[in-house]
Amino acid sequence: GESVGLHLPTLSVQEGDNSIINCAYSNSASDYFIWYKQESGKGPQFIIDIRSNMDKRQGQRVTVLLNKTVKHLSLQIAATQPGDSAVYFCAETRGAGSYQLTFGKGTKLSVIP
Amino acid sequence: GAVVSQHPSWVICKSGTSVKIECRSLDFQATTMFWYRQFPKQSLMLMATSNEGSKATYEQGVEKDKFLINHASLTLSTLTVTSAHPEDSSFYICSALILAGGVSTDTQYFGPGTRLTVL
Repeated sequence: GESVGLHLPTLSVQEGDNSIINCAYSNSASDYFIWYKQESGKGPQFIIDIRSNMDKRQGQRVTVLLNKTVKHLSLQIAATQPGDSAVYFCAETRGAGSYQLTFGKGTKLSVIP
Repeated sequence: GAVVSQHPSWVICKSGTSVKIECRSLDFQATTMFWYRQFPKQSLMLMATSNEGSKATYEQGVEKDKFLINHASLTLSTLTVTSAHPEDSSFYICSALILAGGVSTDTQYFGPGTRLTVL
């Protein structure tokens, strides 16, 4: 049920600045990682993904970095815009060949105009 | 492309009644769909994996007799919350898996979610 008082980590950035959202994962067997954006009252939207045999992948205004040594994933958003305000989740597969995803706790990004 | 719809987008029901939520892949076929539940300010929790033509696989702690899943076609999966109670109130989200094949990755595309409120 609902957890009263539970707060998402929040990141506030000025419009035009770069944003970095971090995620720690625990399953060393995960071979595929995805970042999703979720706006209030909507389903998650795919942003970018990366396989475990890579350490960096770039998209349009977004970059994902993967550090398997410390099990850390980050999402960098360049020139953050007000439309980027949302909750961002990292997700990992449960293991090689698995389709099931485990989602991280999420980070709320607020862009200050 | 890769659009997933859910119906209804929100529903309010009385305690003890059953509610059916539909998940459709609009422009592709999906052998595998997933159902998630999300409580306010929390992450998505996988409830079950729905496979067309076979029984769903439920996650530990999810009651299969309470959350009935039917995946009768390659474009439709349904989740029925039976004898709903206030603690079942949540945001239910489905996703459909696209198998890319080759060197491309298999990707889940998510529906817009269904807000269930049980009074």
